[in-house]
Amino acid sequence: EAQVTQNPRYLITVTGKKLTVTCSQNMNHEYMSWYRQDPGLGLRQIYYSMNVEVTDKGDVPEGYKVSRKEKRNFPLILESPSPNQTSLYFCASSFVGNYGYTFGSGTRLTVV
Amino acid sequence: SQQGEEDPQALSIQEGENATMNCSYKTSINNLQWYRQNSGRGLVHLILIRSNEREKHSGRLRVTLDTSKKSSSLLITASRAADTASYFCATFTNFGNEKLTFGTGTRLTIIP
Repeated sequence: EAQVTQNPRYLITVTGKKLTVTCSQNMNHEYMSWYRQDPGLGLRQIYYSMNVEVTDKGDVPEGYKVSRKEKRNFPLILESPSPNQTSLYFCASSFVGNYGYTFGSGTRLTVV
Repeated sequence: SQQGEEDPQALSIQEGENATMNCSYKTSINNLQWYRQNSGRGLVHLILIRSNEREKHSGRLRVTLDTSKKSSSLLITASRAADTASYFCATFTNFGNEKLTFGTGTRLTIIP
Protein backbone atom coordinates (compact mmCIF):
# COMPACT_ATOMS: atom_id res chain seq x y z
CA GLU A 1 0.00 0.00 0.00
CA ALA A 2 1.31 3.42 -0.99
CA GLN A 3 1.79 5.44 2.15
CA VAL A 4 3.74 7.90 4.23
CA THR A 5 4.66 6.50 7.62
CA GLN A 6 5.43 8.74 10.57
CA ASN A 7 6.65 7.67 13.96
CA PRO A 8 5.83 8.11 16.73
CA ARG A 9 2.13 9.02 16.66
CA TYR A 10 2.29 10.63 20.08
CA LEU A 11 5.28 11.99 21.97
CA ILE A 12 5.59 13.83 25.26
CA THR A 13 9.04 15.16 26.04
CA VAL A 14 10.77 17.69 28.24
CA THR A 15 12.30 20.99 27.23
CA GLY A 16 15.78 20.60 25.79
CA LYS A 17 15.76 16.85 25.19
CA LYS A 18 16.67 16.15 21.59
CA LEU A 19 14.16 14.16 19.58
CA THR A 20 13.65 12.85 16.07
CA VAL A 21 10.37 12.23 14.28
CA THR A 22 10.79 9.79 11.43
CA CYS A 23 9.07 9.89 8.06
CA SER A 24 9.27 7.28 5.36
CA GLN A 25 7.45 6.95 2.02
CA ASN A 26 7.26 3.98 -0.35
CA MET A 27 6.14 5.76 -3.51
CA ASN A 28 9.54 6.82 -4.86
CA HIS A 29 8.53 10.47 -4.47
CA GLU A 30 11.24 13.05 -4.96
CA TYR A 31 9.54 15.76 -2.93
CA MET A 32 9.04 15.55 0.83
CA SER A 33 7.95 18.15 3.31
CA TRP A 34 7.19 18.74 6.96
CA TYR A 35 4.27 20.83 8.24
CA ARG A 36 3.06 21.79 11.65
CA GLN A 37 -0.59 22.38 12.38
CA ASP A 38 -1.75 24.71 15.12
CA PRO A 39 -5.29 25.85 15.96
CA GLY A 40 -6.25 28.94 14.02
CA LEU A 41 -3.03 28.91 12.00
CA GLY A 42 -3.65 26.04 9.62
CA LEU A 43 -0.69 24.11 8.27
CA ARG A 44 2.65 25.84 8.03
CA GLN A 45 5.62 24.42 6.21
CA ILE A 46 8.77 23.78 8.24
CA TYR A 47 11.22 22.30 5.74
CA TYR A 48 11.07 20.59 2.39
CA SER A 49 13.29 18.51 0.15
CA MET A 50 13.24 18.31 -3.63
CA ASN A 51 15.47 15.22 -3.71
CA VAL A 52 18.28 13.41 -1.91
CA GLU A 53 20.71 15.82 -0.23
CA VAL A 54 18.56 18.81 -1.28
CA THR A 55 16.69 20.53 1.55
CA ASP A 56 15.39 24.04 2.09
CA LYS A 57 13.59 26.11 4.67
CA GLY A 58 9.85 26.58 4.68
CA ASP A 59 7.95 29.30 6.51
CA VAL A 60 8.73 28.29 10.11
CA PRO A 61 12.14 26.52 10.17
CA GLU A 62 13.49 27.93 13.45
CA GLY A 63 14.28 25.23 15.98
CA TYR A 64 14.13 22.37 13.47
CA LYS A 65 16.57 20.41 11.35
CA VAL A 66 16.05 17.87 8.60
CA SER A 67 18.16 15.54 6.52
CA ARG A 68 17.57 13.65 3.27
CA LYS A 69 20.22 10.97 2.96
CA GLU A 70 17.90 8.49 1.25
CA LYS A 71 15.01 9.14 -1.07
CA ARG A 72 12.45 7.41 1.11
CA ASN A 73 13.32 8.99 4.48
CA PHE A 74 13.01 12.56 5.72
CA PRO A 75 13.44 12.79 9.50
CA LEU A 76 12.58 15.93 11.47
CA ILE A 77 15.00 16.75 14.27
CA LEU A 78 14.34 19.00 17.24
CA GLU A 79 17.74 19.51 18.85
CA SER A 80 16.44 21.44 21.87
CA PRO A 81 12.65 21.33 21.95
CA SER A 82 10.73 24.14 23.61
CA PRO A 83 7.07 24.37 24.67
CA ASN A 84 6.20 26.53 21.65
CA GLN A 85 7.00 23.52 19.47
CA THR A 86 4.06 21.66 20.96
CA SER A 87 2.02 20.94 17.86
CA LEU A 88 0.65 18.37 15.43
CA TYR A 89 3.27 17.53 12.82
CA PHE A 90 2.70 16.08 9.36
CA CYS A 91 5.07 14.68 6.80
CA ALA A 92 3.98 14.71 3.15
CA SER A 93 5.42 13.58 -0.15
CA SER A 94 4.74 13.89 -3.86
CA PHE A 95 6.35 13.68 -7.25
CA VAL A 96 8.06 16.88 -8.37
CA GLY A 97 5.52 18.93 -10.29
CA ASN A 98 2.95 18.15 -7.63
CA TYR A 99 -0.06 16.11 -8.43
CA GLY A 100 -1.27 16.14 -4.86
CA TYR A 101 0.50 15.35 -1.62
CA THR A 102 0.26 12.13 0.32
CA PHE A 103 0.25 12.83 4.05
CA GLY A 104 1.31 10.77 6.99
CA SER A 105 -1.04 10.21 9.93
CA GLY A 106 0.61 12.87 12.04
CA THR A 107 2.71 13.11 15.19
CA ARG A 108 1.26 14.90 18.16
CA LEU A 109 4.16 16.37 20.10
CA THR A 110 3.91 17.87 23.57
CA VAL A 111 6.92 19.63 25.06
CA VAL A 112 6.66 20.30 28.79
CA SER B 1 2.54 32.62 5.47
CA GLN B 2 -1.11 31.88 4.67
CA GLN B 3 -1.97 32.00 1.00
CA GLY B 4 -5.49 30.62 1.00
CA GLU B 5 -8.28 31.80 3.23
CA GLU B 6 -11.37 29.65 3.49
CA ASP B 7 -14.85 30.93 4.05
CA PRO B 8 -16.81 30.12 6.11
CA GLN B 9 -14.67 28.95 9.00
CA ALA B 10 -17.43 26.56 10.06
CA LEU B 11 -20.51 25.20 8.32
CA SER B 12 -23.30 22.95 9.58
CA ILE B 13 -25.89 21.50 7.22
CA GLN B 14 -28.45 18.72 7.16
CA GLU B 15 -27.54 15.42 5.56
CA GLY B 16 -28.51 15.43 1.91
CA GLU B 17 -27.99 19.16 1.43
CA ASN B 18 -25.17 20.63 -0.62
CA ALA B 19 -22.16 22.23 1.06
CA THR B 20 -20.18 25.06 -0.51
CA MET B 21 -16.84 26.30 0.74
CA ASN B 22 -14.85 29.16 -0.69
CA CYS B 23 -11.17 29.92 -0.85
CA SER B 24 -9.39 33.14 -1.72
CA TYR B 25 -5.69 33.52 -2.34
CA LYS B 26 -3.24 36.30 -3.01
CA THR B 27 -0.66 35.44 -5.65
CA SER B 28 -0.46 33.70 -9.01
CA ILE B 29 -0.59 29.92 -8.79
CA ASN B 30 0.09 26.83 -10.89
CA ASN B 31 -2.76 24.86 -9.41
CA LEU B 32 -5.13 24.78 -6.47
CA GLN B 33 -5.95 21.70 -4.45
CA TRP B 34 -8.53 20.72 -1.88
CA TYR B 35 -7.85 18.37 1.03
CA ARG B 36 -9.99 16.79 3.71
CA GLN B 37 -8.91 16.15 7.28
CA ASN B 38 -10.82 14.01 9.70
CA SER B 39 -10.29 15.10 13.28
CA GLY B 40 -6.59 15.12 14.13
CA ARG B 41 -5.67 12.78 11.30
CA GLY B 42 -3.65 13.18 8.12
CA LEU B 43 -4.92 15.21 5.21
CA VAL B 44 -6.35 13.43 2.19
CA HIS B 45 -6.03 14.89 -1.28
CA LEU B 46 -9.45 15.36 -2.89
CA ILE B 47 -9.05 17.23 -6.15
CA LEU B 48 -6.63 19.41 -8.08
CA ILE B 49 -7.54 22.14 -10.55
CA ARG B 50 -4.92 23.74 -12.76
CA SER B 51 -4.69 27.46 -13.31
CA ASN B 52 -5.95 27.14 -16.90
CA GLU B 53 -9.04 25.18 -15.84
CA ARG B 54 -12.31 26.72 -14.66
CA GLU B 55 -14.21 23.76 -13.33
CA LYS B 56 -13.53 20.17 -12.37
CA HIS B 57 -15.67 17.33 -11.10
CA SER B 58 -14.88 14.21 -9.12
CA GLY B 59 -17.81 12.15 -7.89
CA ARG B 60 -19.89 14.39 -5.61
CA LEU B 61 -17.22 17.11 -5.66
CA ARG B 62 -17.23 20.11 -7.93
CA VAL B 63 -14.44 22.66 -7.85
CA THR B 64 -14.35 25.99 -9.62
CA LEU B 65 -11.43 28.34 -10.07
CA ASP B 66 -11.53 32.01 -11.01
CA THR B 67 -7.97 33.22 -11.43
CA SER B 68 -9.08 36.79 -12.15
CA LYS B 69 -10.68 36.95 -8.71
CA LYS B 70 -8.10 34.64 -7.13
CA SER B 71 -10.81 32.47 -5.70
CA SER B 72 -12.02 28.89 -5.73
CA SER B 73 -15.05 27.05 -4.43
CA LEU B 74 -15.64 23.46 -3.42
CA LEU B 75 -19.16 22.08 -3.69
CA ILE B 76 -20.07 18.78 -2.07
CA THR B 77 -23.43 17.57 -3.32
CA ALA B 78 -25.85 15.31 -1.44
CA SER B 79 -23.80 15.47 1.74
CA ARG B 80 -23.41 12.46 4.03
CA ALA B 81 -22.51 12.14 7.69
CA ALA B 82 -19.12 10.77 6.61
CA ASP B 83 -18.35 14.11 4.94
CA THR B 84 -17.99 15.68 8.38
CA ALA B 85 -14.39 16.91 8.42
CA SER B 86 -12.23 19.98 7.93
CA TYR B 87 -11.57 21.04 4.36
CA PHE B 88 -8.48 22.94 3.28
CA CYS B 89 -7.60 24.65 0.07
CA ALA B 90 -3.94 24.74 -0.88
CA THR B 91 -2.23 26.74 -3.59
CA PHE B 92 0.68 25.30 -5.48
CA THR B 93 3.35 27.51 -6.97
CA ASN B 94 6.45 26.53 -8.86
CA PHE B 95 8.33 29.72 -9.54
CA GLY B 96 11.81 28.50 -8.77
CA ASN B 97 10.98 26.29 -5.82
CA GLU B 98 7.84 24.26 -5.40
CA LYS B 99 5.55 25.33 -2.59
CA LEU B 100 2.14 24.14 -1.43
CA THR B 101 0.56 26.66 0.94
CA PHE B 102 -2.52 25.81 2.97
CA GLY B 103 -5.37 27.94 4.19
CA THR B 104 -6.85 27.73 7.67
CA GLY B 105 -9.71 25.44 6.69
CA THR B 106 -13.48 25.12 6.91
CA ARG B 107 -14.96 22.86 9.54
CA LEU B 108 -17.94 21.06 7.97
CA THR B 109 -20.49 19.29 10.14
CA ILE B 110 -23.20 17.16 8.56
CA ILE B 111 -26.23 16.73 10.80
CA PRO B 112 -27.90 13.32 10.33
